[in-house]
Amino acid sequence: DAKTTQPPSMDCAEGRAANLPCNHSTISGNEYVYWYRQIHSQGPQYIIHGLKNNETNEMASLIITEDRKSSTLILPHATLRDTAVYYCIVRDYNQGGKLIFGQGTELSVKP
Amino acid sequence: GAVVSQHPSWVICKSGTSVKIECRSLDFQATTMFWYRQFPKQSLMLMATSNEGSKATYEQGVEKDKFLINHASLTLSTLTVTSAHPEDSSFYICSAWTGVNEQFFGPGTRLTVL
Repeated sequence: DAKTTQPPSMDCAEGRAANLPCNHSTISGNEYVYWYRQIHSQGPQYIIHGLKNNETNEMASLIITEDRKSSTLILPHATLRDTAVYYCIVRDYNQGGKLIFGQGTELSVKP
Repeated sequence: GAVVSQHPSWVICKSGTSVKIECRSLDFQATTMFWYRQFPKQSLMLMATSNEGSKATYEQGVEKDKFLINHASLTLSTLTVTSAHPEDSSFYICSAWTGVNEQFFGPGTRLTVL
């Protein structure tokens, strides 16, 4: 079973920041937080991952709370092409790379 | 970024036939490949984990004799759906992993069984 909880859907205006929350209250010390997204009828695309520090790359920022029980993915300037299902996944680094997908958040970016 | 391909991208077959789907890592060697299945409006469901040169590990409820997985090299894994039936119609997605960091996913194969 997935160890994360996400809102099923969110809307965001084009050009604004999209903040996608994720709850992982049972996360353990060996588990990383990964974010992927899936555009309709395509394979998932890696976005970012982190352990406990905030992370930023060219696609997004990941903010992890100090107790690591929740995180937020931030798309700083959402575009229409960011419309997708976003998956937050916790993965144990010692368990062979397996990713268990939850239901994700369907983000709709609107003009 | 790393590229994973799948072939075919879509396939239509008659009930009772077998279908083979290939997953290739094009610019890196993958020690592990994963196979997922996704039904419409649902999330990805992990079917099996495949390590090069060894038998695949199947998730609970996935029939190993129906979904044959071969991982013959560090760049190729195949999934064969044997004696396919309409309920096997789905979107099949593979991913490849070097053993560190993120997995890279293929574009998926849409299987329709008539």
